[in-house]
Amino acid sequence: AQSVTQLDSQVPVFEEAPVELRCNYSSSVSVYLFWYVQYPNQGLQLLLKYLSGSTLVKSINGFEAEFNKSQTSFHLRKPSVHISDTAEYFCAVRFSGGYNKLIFGAGTRLAVHP
Amino acid sequence: GAVVSQHPSRVICKSGTSVKIECRSLDFQATTMFWYRQFPKQSLMLMATSNEGSKATYEQGVEKDKFLINHASLTLSTLTVTSAHPEDSSFYICSARTGTDNYEQYFGPGTRLTVT
Repeated sequence: AQSVTQLDSQVPVFEEAPVELRCNYSSSVSVYLFWYVQYPNQGLQLLLKYLSGSTLVKSINGFEAEFNKSQTSFHLRKPSVHISDTAEYFCAVRFSGGYNKLIFGAGTRLAVHP
Repeated sequence: GAVVSQHPSRVICKSGTSVKIECRSLDFQATTMFWYRQFPKQSLMLMATSNEGSKATYEQGVEKDKFLINHASLTLSTLTVTSAHPEDSSFYICSARTGTDNYEQYFGPGTRLTVT
């Protein structure tokens, strides 16, 4: 079965510290990978995506994620977080072939403390 | 660009009544729209997918007679929760996809439904 797993439900971290939010998926077909951020009582905003090409993708606000096919992972990292990065982060996968829908992970709550 | 709006942002209704939620793509034509439901501190669950002018495709376990979806135009989709009950209280989020970019979905800000 195709699924997306975010291993950490909450990640507390101090400001300016590095952070990694983990995402793993299970699939026997090609995938397209996404990270979304959700601020309280708001919809989702696309943070970054991997469709093809370079396995390392970066966002404009310092986040990056690397697609690792052998480990079926797409972990999100940031070398130095800010208070404003506090939000819910969702990993999503679209599996090629068949139905073109996004499957979301359970989400990781990133809490940045001063 | 690629803005999706939802109306209302919050709605409270009494048990047994129906409520309609609108989802609009403001600056693009949305050939496909999706409706998600999100429970507190949980992930998004896809409820249905709709293509303009066609009947919506519902996910397994979603009651199509309870959650009526209409995608009447390329910029508007509506979700009507019929005979609402307290267990229908949730955060409903729509998203839209253009006909040109087949990989990215643009999400609305969500609608908080509370059924009393």
